[in-house]
Amino acid sequence: DAGVIQSPRHEVTEMGQEVTLRCKPISGHDYLFWYRQTMMRGLELLIYFNNNVPIDDSGMPEDRFSAKMPNASFSTLKIQPSEPRDSAVYFCASSFRGVQPQHFGDGTRLSIL
Amino acid sequence: QQPVQSPQAVILREGEDAVINCSSSKALYSVHWYRQKHGEAPVFLMILLKGGEQKGHEKISASFNEKKQQSSLYLTASQLSYSGTYFCGTEAEWYGGSQGNLIFGKGTKLSVKP
Repeated sequence: DAGVIQSPRHEVTEMGQEVTLRCKPISGHDYLFWYRQTMMRGLELLIYFNNNVPIDDSGMPEDRFSAKMPNASFSTLKIQPSEPRDSAVYFCASSFRGVQPQHFGDGTRLSIL
Repeated sequence: QQPVQSPQAVILREGEDAVINCSSSKALYSVHWYRQKHGEAPVFLMILLKGGEQKGHEKISASFNEKKQQSSLYLTASQLSYSGTYFCGTEAEWYGGSQGNLIFGKGTKLSVKP
């Protein structure tokens, strides 16, 4: 079975550029989560969706971050404009009903120069 | 609110045991445990639902004390493959059910030496 698929795996871009991270959850999963991981702050929940609807975006750092889930098989996390402090590993995870195990994608390692 | 994990790091010799603790100030519906190896994604180990149930997975087991909002992960007869960072993720109780999302602790780095 295919797991959660994230793209790109690595992204290096200059400050001020728009960055779009993509995620394809496991088929049949109805919850999708976006996390950011840094050494300083650990694994932070940014936003999560249930049945394509954003439920809680209180973890999104600021208005430069936005996330969408246009259908059950695709989600994007966008940063515009990007800043060096956005450098981190961004993980997408999905689960079937929130209480079930979350399956993580391999992550996107983002570096903003 | 982020759960508190302890210890922050532990170094073991192969065959030794370890306990990792996770504590929350909120009423919990469930506690999840994950292990993350360097450069990889977190991998699910087990879930404990409220009810004080203890679960096992090979030589790794866990308990959940819902009255104290605490969970402990037990690693017995550790192997080199156990090395990694262990995270607990807590799911708050929401009107008697689950809130649907996890808040992760900062992790416990476990190093197993030969």
